[in-house]
Amino acid sequence: DTAVSQTPKYLVTQMGNDKSIKCEQNLGHDTMYWYKQDSKKFLKIMFSYNNKELIINETVPNRFSPKSPDKAHLNLHINSLELGDSAVYFCASSSPEVAGTSSTDTQYFGPGTRLTVL
Amino acid sequence: KQEVTQIPAALSVPEGENLVLNCSFTDSAIYNLQWFRQDPGKGLTSLLLIQSSQREQTSGRLNASLDKSSGRSTLYIAASQPGDSATYLCAVSPFTGGGNKLTFGTGTQLKVEL
Repeated sequence: DTAVSQTPKYLVTQMGNDKSIKCEQNLGHDTMYWYKQDSKKFLKIMFSYNNKELIINETVPNRFSPKSPDKAHLNLHINSLELGDSAVYFCASSSPEVAGTSSTDTQYFGPGTRLTVL
Repeated sequence: KQEVTQIPAALSVPEGENLVLNCSFTDSAIYNLQWFRQDPGKGLTSLLLIQSSQREQTSGRLNASLDKSSGRSTLYIAASQPGDSATYLCAVSPFTGGGNKLTFGTGTQLKVEL
């Protein structure tokens, strides 16, 4: 009965490759997020989707492209991987009371995907 | 630009001690503040959420306080146990539209020793 799940858990790849990370939530939430946690353990938001619509797009290289086929899924595709992309990527979800506004609700996080670029 | 700082960066205490973790933020225009726990190699688990209009929230041995005007929050853990060992993160949500964009602090790594 996993709430927020991510696949794969570990991803090791070469520089220049293209890879995808998948996220699914079964909480019925409207909003999903991608965060990046770097080697110093600092967590920073990358993207947020509400009902399949992009609502937060931080300063992230356009090699990163999120895709939300439905509101229960938010995938992250990364083109031309670079060494600096190595990090743990976390997916999260929440259910705002009103779409597009700050929420009173808690964000629920997935277990993370550890990406290593060689 | 919102910045969130946590002090101390690391803390080691003997089992049974009460302890306080600190979080400060530069922009007091927040919607809410959350405390999370992260275990090694795992995701984040939400512990407490305080709305900007609230002063504190309690859950079991945990008590979080919020002083929005001074940009500070504390997480008080009573009677600490080895199972409390983890990294504790605070995060604030802005008081604007555009989604629930959390800005995280740098974290406090807690070790509770037997």
